[in-house]
Amino acid sequence: GAVVSQHPSWVICKSGTSVKIECRSLDFQATTMFWYRQFPKQSLMLMATSNEGSKATYEQGVEKDKFLINHASLTLSTLTVTSAHPEDSSFYICSAAPGLLPNTGELFFGEGSRLTVL
Amino acid sequence: GQQLNQSPQSMFIQEGEDVSMNCTSSSIFNTWLWYKQDPGEGPVLLIALYKAGELTSNGRLTAQFGITRKDSFLNISASIPSDVGIYFCAGQLTTGFQKLVFGTGTRLLVSP
Repeated sequence: GAVVSQHPSWVICKSGTSVKIECRSLDFQATTMFWYRQFPKQSLMLMATSNEGSKATYEQGVEKDKFLINHASLTLSTLTVTSAHPEDSSFYICSAAPGLLPNTGELFFGEGSRLTVL
Repeated sequence: GQQLNQSPQSMFIQEGEDVSMNCTSSSIFNTWLWYKQDPGEGPVLLIALYKAGELTSNGRLTAQFGITRKDSFLNISASIPSDVGIYFCAGQLTTGFQKLVFGTGTRLLVSP
């Protein structure tokens, strides 16, 4: 149980285009999902907290108009990188917490999506 | 963003050796988690710790939640080649619903 899936697993796009990444909880409902960014050989940095049915909460320094987050259902959150530039190239990882269980602190992660902007 | 201090940064050991890595913070956490990440994949949860002083095992893995709630360690006994990967600690702050802060990572290499 507690499987989180991301799509696509990798994407290459031209500078200036927008890219959407999906994060799905396959066997549980998630009222909260988190989006992280990881640069090569670095740790995961939290970008934003996605809440079902409400606006996402962004971490300091993360542009909300650049990284659009939509959490329209209890099993799906999307991250759209708008007008992507080469410096946006990174490994984007989502995680989700089972919303119907007590807050154990355990988060389950997707496989990650590698974005390369040319 | 905030990060936890994790050490060592990398380790290269022989198969069969034991490994220890630790994580420290200036902040108090109410949950500590240890994850392993393989290249090109998302982190996989290894062990979760919920109480200060708690010692928890999962197979060859043992982790402890420090008494001060500001540190944790992970031990791997009798390492095998598939233990290769990057290990991250993560802490859940006392405020902030399920929001995790990650350590800087320990890269483990195991020689057969």
